[in-house]
Formats: sequence, C-alpha cells, structure tokens
Amino acid sequence: SAVISQKPSRDICQRGTSLTIQCQVDSQVTMMFWYRQQPGQSLTLIATANQGSEATYESGFVIDKFPISRPNLTFSTLTVSNMSPEDSSIYLCSVIQGVKEKLFFGSGTQLSVL
Amino acid sequence: DAKTTQPPSMDCAEGRAANLPCNHSTISGNEYVYWYRQIHSQGPQYIIHGLKNNETNEMASLIITEDRKSSTLILPHATLRDTAVYYCIVRAPAYSGAGSYQLTFGKGTKLSVIP
Repeated sequence: SAVISQKPSRDICQRGTSLTIQCQVDSQVTMMFWYRQQPGQSLTLIATANQGSEATYESGFVIDKFPISRPNLTFSTLTVSNMSPEDSSIYLCSVIQGVKEKLFFGSGTQLSVL
Repeated sequence: DAKTTQPPSMDCAEGRAANLPCNHSTISGNEYVYWYRQIHSQGPQYIIHGLKNNETNEMASLIITEDRKSSTLILPHATLRDTAVYYCIVRAPAYSGAGSYQLTFGKGTKLSVIP
C-alpha cells in the first residue's frame, strides 16, 4: 500500500492569508486527489491533480481559491488562498493504487482560520 | 449525492461481531461496493471491496446480497480500536470506461465499540 506524507498536520491561520499543503507519496502514481472534510461532515472531493496537466476541479471549487501543483508523479501541493473561517476543515490528499483501485489517504491537515 | 444508505450510528460490545449494514438499491452491474473507515479525523482507511461474491480479508468480511441491493460489513471480533466512522461506497472501476476514480462519501455509520 502507498505511504502518503502530508504536511503540515495542523495549522492555525489568520483570515486573508494563504496556506500551502504538501503531499508526498512513496511511489509514483498517476492521479492524486484532494478532499476537504468540514467539521462534522463527510469528505468532499476538491480536485484531481494530474501530472503534466492542469487540475480538474469539482463543482463549487475554483483554481483561484485552491491552486494545485503537480510537478512530478510523487508530489502535489494544494494552496488554500485568501482564507476565511469557512475554510476551517481537514484537507486530505489521496492516491489510487493497484488494479483494484484502492484509495489511500494521507493523515490530513487540520486547518483552523481565525 | 451518495448512492448508499447507512444507519447513522451503532454500538457493539467489545469482542463481539460488528455487523454494519448498507443499502445500495440503485447499484449498477459494474459497480463495486467499497468500505472505508475513518478513525477520529485521520485519513480514511481502506477495508474491503467486492462485486457480487462475498469477500474476506484480515480486517473484515463483506457479505453482498444476491440481488446486490445491500451488503453487510462484518468485523468478527470488534476491539476498542475499531471505533470509527464506516463508509460504504459504490463505484464503477475507472478502467471500465463507465466509472471514475472519484469516491462519493456519504455520512457513514459511527460505530462505537463498548468495553
């Protein structure tokens, strides 16, 4: 199974600032995904990060707010821009691996915006 | 919207089997049933998945009804560390051409294992 390291594990940020979350995988993967989990809620897919092309965003999420980089097959970043308290959530990166298409998740970034 | 229905919460005595039900009455022929769990704000963890046959691995067993409209995840001997939110998800494999890699998470079942 894939081992995913996500940084930072948690952060407290001021309104209007930006935070970049890093996701490192121990093996090459074609597709990486970024999810958000708001307090008490289930997971919602933000975007799919493909190496060599622009990320694909889900409805309700835009590139200006959540820019994503995917410079190689083992690394991705998600930036939460111009933060507001409504952005307080857990942000999770994940990858698909194997013919059984299992999804593996990082440990998450707990973000609190004051 | 999630294609599955699960009870919001369940209790199970430690050492007993935990049986978590899931309804997926609109499941398509090429859609698999996946189970994940999330332990207190950690990233979700894959448990098991199946198409139509029952499956068993080191973590759990998955029982899928013959009409595939429902399934049950069985944790044979629940421990306190199994306390988590359990998600049942249906999805067609991306390689099938009819599916995607996206997992749509519902609200899941909060399982509490009681000493």
